[in-house]
Amino acid sequence: GQNIDQPTEMTATEGAIVQINCTYQTSGFNGLFWYQQHAGEAPTFLSYNVLDGLEEKGRFSSFLSRSKGYSYLLLKELQMKDSASYLCAVGPTSGTYKYIFGTGTRLKVLA
Amino acid sequence: DAMVIQNPRYQVTQFGKPVTLSCSQTLNHNVMYWYQQKSSQAPKLLFHYYDKDFNNEADTPDNFQSRRPNTSFCFLDIRSPGLGDAAMYLCATSRGPGLKETQYFGPGTRLLVL
Repeated sequence: GQNIDQPTEMTATEGAIVQINCTYQTSGFNGLFWYQQHAGEAPTFLSYNVLDGLEEKGRFSSFLSRSKGYSYLLLKELQMKDSASYLCAVGPTSGTYKYIFGTGTRLKVLA
Repeated sequence: DAMVIQNPRYQVTQFGKPVTLSCSQTLNHNVMYWYQQKSSQAPKLLFHYYDKDFNNEADTPDNFQSRRPNTSFCFLDIRSPGLGDAAMYLCATSRGPGLKETQYFGPGTRLLVL
């Protein structure tokens, strides 16, 4: 079966660091994507991991461990505008075009 | 800028009155997707096209149909909308399978059923 788990909600303070976890059990794996989605808007691409380790992009970093079926998104120096939902998704494997999404983590950043 | 465009952004329809949502893309991507997303939930894939090949999800109601007349355009037809169909409908594209091939999403159409 296909299963991707994320915490439903998280709260953090402006300027802090927050880690959003994602665990997955899928029949195939071709990389893991993180998307940001502000309320009422479309998801936008944040990061992609296909090999184990950390990918850093400014204030955002994403980590992957394929053996553990685990990824996290790390947000540093939180800003109010980071309040959004964060979706992890496993990319399509050979022969398919489907992305498998987690239910998303709603992050609230407090002043 | 190359992009995915959805029209309209907001659509109000009456219970049982057919409605069509449209999506266009200037990315020249092979794959187009339609998702339904309800509040605080993950996007739910309804169907996707690879070029003209149509793929329906097993749990997509028959009430939902799609057309892709050419590479650039894709339509979602809801034949008899029910109150439970009120949601955000997202169109997305991708180049196809391959490493690091992300999806590109349109801004979505929020459907309200009265």
